[in-house]
Order: sequence, then structure tokens, then C-alpha cells
Amino acid sequence: GQQVMQIPQYQHVQEGEDFTTYCNSSTTLSNIQWYKQRPGGHPVFLIQLVKSGEVKKQKRLTFQFGEAKKNSSLHITATQTTDVGTYFCGWGAQKLVFGQGTRLTINP
Amino acid sequence: GAVVSQHPSRVICKSGTSVKIECRSLDFQATTMFWYRQFPKKSLMLMATSNEGSKATYEQGVEKDKFLINHASLTLSTLTVTSAHPEDSSFYICSAGGGQNIQYFGAGTRLSVL
Repeated sequence: GQQVMQIPQYQHVQEGEDFTTYCNSSTTLSNIQWYKQRPGGHPVFLIQLVKSGEVKKQKRLTFQFGEAKKNSSLHITATQTTDVGTYFCGWGAQKLVFGQGTRLTINP
Repeated sequence: GAVVSQHPSRVICKSGTSVKIECRSLDFQATTMFWYRQFPKKSLMLMATSNEGSKATYEQGVEKDKFLINHASLTLSTLTVTSAHPEDSSFYICSAGGGQNIQYFGAGTRLSVL
């Protein structure tokens, strides 16, 4: 069956450093979405990628979908304390399934 | 964005009792809603797909008689944890589709079974 790995599981950075989380699938994905969950909160939709090689930016966040549509990444430039939380990739047309998540903590 | 309301936000109950959690789409209709369970510092595990007017579709390993789902209207799905036990303690979150595969999540319900 389809397997998607999200790495790293945890990432601790100094404020101002960059951060990247990756999702890698064993099979081609029709789409991939990214969500952010603040501590104690619920997941909030960030973006959806559907095209091969797609790159989208939201301020300091850059999202990529690989050419083969098997991997995706979320990169944050110059992290701020407000970026703290767990970032999940998700996929699926009929139902949304999540990756394991990457928990980002930041030293101010 | 779309708003999904989930109630209650927190519940503490005695072992053996049943607990009902409501999930409402406030400004849109949702023929499909989803129920997830999340353990501390873990990912969201999809439990079931709630289908308006028909039976829910459960994921493998999820007991349908334990977690009863009812989706009686286009804006309301309920999850009932029957005969709750301490191992059912968890964070339960619902979501509803707002179009283009985007899911909007409720605030979650933290269930503690004593």
C-alpha cells in the first residue's frame, strides 16, 4: 500500500534559522496539502499542491511538490517564535490522511 | 475560511459511560465529515468518514460499535464513544470539506475517562 514518510520527527532551531520538513511517498500522489497545528490547537490548512514541480510561496514559507509527485517539502526562512507548532503533510482525494508530522520548537 | 464547530471542547467521564461529541459546519453544507483521533505528540489518525444520510465508513482497526457515528443532516455529525474506558482517553477532532479537498477542522474534544 501507499506509504508516506515525513521527516524529521522533531526539529529545534534558533530563532532566525531556517527550517525544512519533507514528505516522501512510495507512490505518486494526486495532491498534497500542508497543515499547521499549534500546541493545544487544531490543524489549520496552509496550502495544497497538485501540479508536478509546483512551487508556492506564502511570505517566509515555500512549498514544493516534486516532479514525480512523490515528495514535497515545506521550508520556512528565518523562523520566528510564531512558527512553533507541528507541521503535517496530508494527501488523498476521498479522505485526508496525514503524515507523522514534524514538531518545530524555536529558541528565542 | 469555513468554520467548523466542535462541542464539547473537554469532557471528563467515568468508565462505562457514553460520551457524544458534535461537529457542525457553520457556514457551509458538508455531505462528508471526518473523525480523527490524536494521541499526545502524535499524528492525527483517521477513524472514520461520516456520510450524510448513510452509514459511516470506518478505517481498519476502528470498532464501529465502539465509536458510533451519525450524520443526520448536512451540517451535523456526531461521534459517540460508547462504554468509554481509560484507553479511550484521547483528543478527538472532526473535519469537514470546504471544497477543493481542503479540510476545515473543529477545535477538538479532549476526552478523559476516569
